[in-house]
This record gives sequence, structure tokens and C-alpha cells, in this order.
Amino acid sequence: TQLLEQSPQFLSIQEGENLTVYCNSSSVFSSLQWYRQEPGEGPVLLVTVVTGGEVKKLKRLTFQFGDARKDSSLHITAAQPGDTGLYLCAGAQGTYKYIFGTGTRLKVLA
Amino acid sequence: GAGVSQSPSNKVTEKGKDVELRCDPISGHTALYWYRQSLGQGLEFLIYFQGNSAPDKSGLPSDRFSAERTGGSVSTLTIQRTQQEDSAVYLCASSRLSSPLHFGNGTRLTVT
Repeated sequence: TQLLEQSPQFLSIQEGENLTVYCNSSSVFSSLQWYRQEPGEGPVLLVTVVTGGEVKKLKRLTFQFGDARKDSSLHITAAQPGDTGLYLCAGAQGTYKYIFGTGTRLKVLA
Repeated sequence: GAGVSQSPSNKVTEKGKDVELRCDPISGHTALYWYRQSLGQGLEFLIYFQGNSAPDKSGLPSDRFSAERTGGSVSTLTIQRTQQEDSAVYLCASSRLSSPLHFGNGTRLTVT
């Protein structure tokens, strides 16, 4: 059962544009993580958000955890070709279980 | 090495054959996970190890799938009598308890 839905599924934009990726669930998570995955590699952690309403910034990336800890968003400002990849959210349930989202494939054109 | 190592990186097998996939976690990481990823989509949880024990096997798709971990380190995922629907990338991750996951680069399995 897929508990985390991401939207959009695919996104192709021009360099310099802004974008937002959404991660939604009906379940509450103790924390939420965002990963980026490039072809032929495993996902790499970008950020962990823990508190409802928390906002974290990582250079041009802004991550927000919903107040109810059921949803999250990733906003990228002035996208660059190096941002191209598969973005995955993952919600933590309990001390060890991570439920991954359906993924958003981003392509940034130069 | 410093990261999670998986072997082989690619495996092509005939339908009905058995395959073994190996994962070497980061030293000192007590938690080890296997996930499956189809067509570059999201990750499907298979099994979780804490030390050599597997308290959560709930994601294993059928009794053709099994996994073990020895010495609190290396893990092997075995798929018996492979089927075409088993074709996917199998990812291993390790972590310290309640810490972020560190993934290997996966094994791409193709069943012909």
C-alpha cells in the first residue's frame, strides 16, 4: 500500500524557473525526509524535517513540513540543470520504518 | 569502503532460476534495509534487520523471497524461481538506529 503520494510525477522546466514538489499522506509521520536520486545510484538524503510547520532551507531548496505532519513540500528557486533527478520523500513511522513516496522526476533544461 | 556496497551491480537471469543479491553495510550500522524500485519510481519496502534479526519482513512479496544477515554485517537477499515481475532495482540501505538511511547503488535485476 502506497501511503505517500507525490505530485507532479514528472516535471520538465527551463533553467532559472521555480518549482514546487508536493508530498501528501493521510498518515502522520514522526519525521519526513527528502532524497534525490540520480541514474544508477541510490537515493541521497537532502534534509530531515521533524517539527510540524518546520521550514528548512538548503541553498536554493526550501523544505516545509505540514503543521499536522502529514504532508511536505520542496520548493526549488532558479532551477539549474544540476538539479535534474528523481526526488523522493520518505515518512518515518516509529523508530525504523520509512515509507517512500511515488517520486517526482525533474528535468531542468539549459 | 566508506559507503554501502552492493553486488552484483547488474544481474540477468532466466525465468525460474534462483538469484542472490549481496549487501555490505557501513561498518557500525546496526540497521539494514532492503527496498525494491521499479522503473525509476518510488521505493517499496521489503525487509528490515536490526543486528541479525529481522523484526519486520512484511514487505517480502512472496515466499520465494528470503533474506538473512550474518555477523551483524553482510546481508543476502535470495529470490527463488525468479519471475519476470521480479525485474527491478534492489536497493540496500543501512543506518544507526533512528538515523538517516545510507543507500548503496543497487542491483539491477533483469529476468528474461
